[in-house]
Amino acid sequence: DAGVTQSPTHLIKTRGQQVTLRCSPISGHKSVSWYQQVLGQGPQFIFQYYEKEERGRGNFPDRFSARQFPNYSSELNVNALLLGDSALYLCASSRDRSGNTIYFGEGSWLTVV
Amino acid sequence: QKEVEQDPGPLSVPEGAIVSLNCTYSNSAFQYFMWYRQYSRKGPELLMYTYSSGNKEDGRFTAQVDKSSKYISLFIRDSQPSDSATYLCARLGEGAQKLVFGQGTRLTINP
Repeated sequence: DAGVTQSPTHLIKTRGQQVTLRCSPISGHKSVSWYQQVLGQGPQFIFQYYEKEERGRGNFPDRFSARQFPNYSSELNVNALLLGDSALYLCASSRDRSGNTIYFGEGSWLTVV
Repeated sequence: QKEVEQDPGPLSVPEGAIVSLNCTYSNSAFQYFMWYRQYSRKGPELLMYTYSSGNKEDGRFTAQVDKSSKYISLFIRDSQPSDSATYLCARLGEGAQKLVFGQGTRLTINP
């Protein structure tokens, strides 16, 4: 079975632009979470979605938004990009809302110039 | 105080050595703890998870939780150069499926 898949793998954006990142969870997994990982740090929680509803939000500004689709795939949107948004954006999936086996994708590398 | 604290290293050991990686956490209410391995420019790979206190073994890896001292450990026996990576500890909180990670320890196994 395929793991968590994310696209695009790398992208470069200019300050002030908007970006959309995409994620497909492992087949059968209904929960998707998003994390931001800056260089030299552990991932930080942004959002969790389960059954298309937001179930948790981390300490990120309103410029960050996400949604989950009926097929459980998800998108993360970031508006008005800042240089500090440059990071690896990770998507994770698990079978249910409180699952303790959480699997990550390879991430999307975002560079803001 | 951070919720999960981890020495960033770097840690360098010879091949075949036993490696001990450690984290501390601040809230004794935490129940689930995970260890992830992350190779350079890749996503984190789930190695092990443990519930509450005690040990869990999987091949060359042993995860240990000591709730009395709020200490999480990962031991790697017979370390191999392929084990060279950053190791991330994390706790899973109640409610939302929110993992809180330590900073990660960068480990190098020298042939």
